[in-house]
Amino acid sequence: ETGVTQSPTHLIKTRGQQVTLRCSSQSGHNTVSWYQQALGQGPQFIFQYYREEENGRGNFPPRFSGLQFPNYSSELNVNALELDDSALYLCASSSGQLNEKLFFGSGTQLSVL
Amino acid sequence: QKEVEQDPGPLSVPEGAIVSLNCTYSNSAFQYFMWYRQYSRKGPELLMYTYSSGNKEDGRFTAQVDKSSKYISLFIRDSQPSDSATYLCAMKWTGGGNKLTFGTGTQLKVEL
Repeated sequence: ETGVTQSPTHLIKTRGQQVTLRCSSQSGHNTVSWYQQALGQGPQFIFQYYREEENGRGNFPPRFSGLQFPNYSSELNVNALELDDSALYLCASSSGQLNEKLFFGSGTQLSVL
Repeated sequence: QKEVEQDPGPLSVPEGAIVSLNCTYSNSAFQYFMWYRQYSRKGPELLMYTYSSGNKEDGRFTAQVDKSSKYISLFIRDSQPSDSATYLCAMKWTGGGNKLTFGTGTQLKVEL
C-alpha cells in the first residue's frame, strides 16, 4: 500500500508568479484535502475534493484553486503569489469525505521571494 | 481567541519520563479529536483518533478527552529520544467534512 506522495518537495518562486503542486492519494482513498502550514503554526485547511468536486473550503482567497482527477490524484494551484504564501503545503487523503481519518504526505515547501 | 489553543513549548524531558501534552478548545461542536506527530520537514503522522470522552490507550500513548471542560491531553509513557518531534492536536465536527482545526503544535525534545 503506497502512502500519500507529493511533488515537488521544494519550490522557489517569485512574487506574482503561479505555481502548481501535485498529490497522489493513498491507495483506496477517494477524498483529498489541502492544508497550508506556515512556520511555527499548525496546518490550516485550504479545501477538500471528493469525486472531482470541491466540497469544502477554508478561509483562502480564490487565487487558491484545485483539481481532482478520476484516479483521485489532485493539484493545488496558486496564482499571483505573495510573500505570505511561503509555507509547507500538505496534501491529505482519506477513504471518505465525512469524519474519516486523514493521512498526510510529506508536503511541498514553497518559498516566495 | 483561537478555536484551539496549544502550548508551543519547547518542552524538554529526560528519557523515560512521562510527557503530558494538552490542548483546549472553544467550539463545543468539535466531536472528533486527534493527535498528530510531525518530524522536522515532514508531514503530520496520525497517532491517536478518538470521538468520546475518556481515555484511549495505544502502546505508550494515551489520549484523554474531557468534553465538559473542552480539554484534551496526550500522555507518552517511557519517552524515547525518537519521540522528539512536534505534536499537533486536531479536531473536527460532525458534518465538517475533512476540515481539521489544528493547534499550533508543541515541540518536544527527549534527551538521553
